[in-house]
Amino acid sequence: KNEVEQSPQNLTAQEGEFITINCSYSVGISALHWLQQHPGGGIVSLFMLSSGKKKHGRLIATINIQEKHSSLHITASHPRDSAVYICAFRWGGSNYKLTFGKGTLLTVNP
Amino acid sequence: NAGVTQTPKFQVLKTGQSMTLQCAQDMNHNSMYWYRQDPGMGLRLIYYSASEGTTDKGEVPNGYNVSRLNKREFSLRLESAAPSQTSVYFCASNQGSSYEQYFGPGTRLTVT
Repeated sequence: KNEVEQSPQNLTAQEGEFITINCSYSVGISALHWLQQHPGGGIVSLFMLSSGKKKHGRLIATINIQEKHSSLHITASHPRDSAVYICAFRWGGSNYKLTFGKGTLLTVNP
Repeated sequence: NAGVTQTPKFQVLKTGQSMTLQCAQDMNHNSMYWYRQDPGMGLRLIYYSASEGTTDKGEVPNGYNVSRLNKREFSLRLESAAPSQTSVYFCASNQGSSYEQYFGPGTRLTVT
């Protein structure tokens, strides 16, 4: 069964803290996505990566293919980072199908 | 660019009623997707269209039909709504399977 596990499920931080959200998956994948779902419900794609590391502003995503693990880091967290962060992977078979994690609810307090 | 648009934003149906959720994108994307999001579960793929003229089943297609009307539009139809179809529905699109997906704002559907 192709599964993706995210941890933690819920995370509360103080403004300025360094945040790490983890994602583990069970099969060989072709790409992993990180998405952000705002409190109002909208979903935005943050990263798509298949190896190494990507950085965009205060967000960093890393992936270790051998260990089947990815992390999303947020440096100098801010209350506007409060959202649900979702990882999803694309694997062999149909490249059009993504398997999604249940998400990590991040709350950053001022 | 409006990106991906969905109509309606909210809908309440009675069991057995039918309705069509509309989705359109103005990014000239080849591929389009319909997902549902339920509490405590990850997004699940209902149907997708890899390119204009093709559609394929996703993880949870039962009770739904789709139409890729043209390159811009991809509609999702519930022929006979059931309470189990109460959910938030998201449409998404991308240039192809190797690209990130762009999501619409979602439709919150309640079936009573």
